[in-house]
Amino acid sequence: AQSVTQLGSHVSVSEGALVLLRCNYSSSVPPYLFWYVQYPNQGLQLLLKYTSAATLVKGINGFEAEFKKSETSFHLTKPSAHMSDAAEYFCAVTLSGAGSYQLTFGKGTKLSVIP
Amino acid sequence: GAGVSQSPSNKVTEKGKDVELRCDPISGHTALYWYRQSLGQGLEFLIYFQGNSAPDKSGLPSDRFSAERTGGSVSTLTIQRTQQEDSAVYLCASSLAPNNYEQYFGPGTRLTVT
Repeated sequence: AQSVTQLGSHVSVSEGALVLLRCNYSSSVPPYLFWYVQYPNQGLQLLLKYTSAATLVKGINGFEAEFKKSETSFHLTKPSAHMSDAAEYFCAVTLSGAGSYQLTFGKGTKLSVIP
Repeated sequence: GAGVSQSPSNKVTEKGKDVELRCDPISGHTALYWYRQSLGQGLEFLIYFQGNSAPDKSGLPSDRFSAERTGGSVSTLTIQRTQQEDSAVYLCASSLAPNNYEQYFGPGTRLTVT
């Protein structure tokens, strides 16, 4: 079984400041990891994914995440926050080699950007 | 190209009524998933369809929930005898084998049971 823990249900940063959203996972086999973003009243949009290639993955909108096996972490970062980054972010895990690839999500972190 | 579409976008129903939620996946995508997003439980997997294989129903919360996928394309999620705890946003996603881990989500259907 797999699980995801996102530390901090709400994070506030100033515009231009570093964004750091934390995600830790638990998985019995090598995981595939994802970050999704959800804007109000919209579905989920894939930001980036880790599927056992490079451990540092770059996504859309300037976001990146680093897979650290020793820390079972997959934290999301962006060097400089923009007002348009305000949204809810979900970390998700699935099992590599699994048939269905059903996603297990964290509880989400709502990011606020202060002008 | 067209993304995943869902209808209706909002549905209000009375407790005890049946509802049907529809999902149109991205054309050519062979896998289809339903998830539920609720305040209390977060995002939960409900059911998975892959081609003509038997669906993975392991996430359905009760036997009041069922889903079908006709012709390998459109899917309908049915909730019978709705309860207030069924109020949630129901999200559909599709993907293209073999990379079924890369799922594309629709905008969701917000269900409110009064």
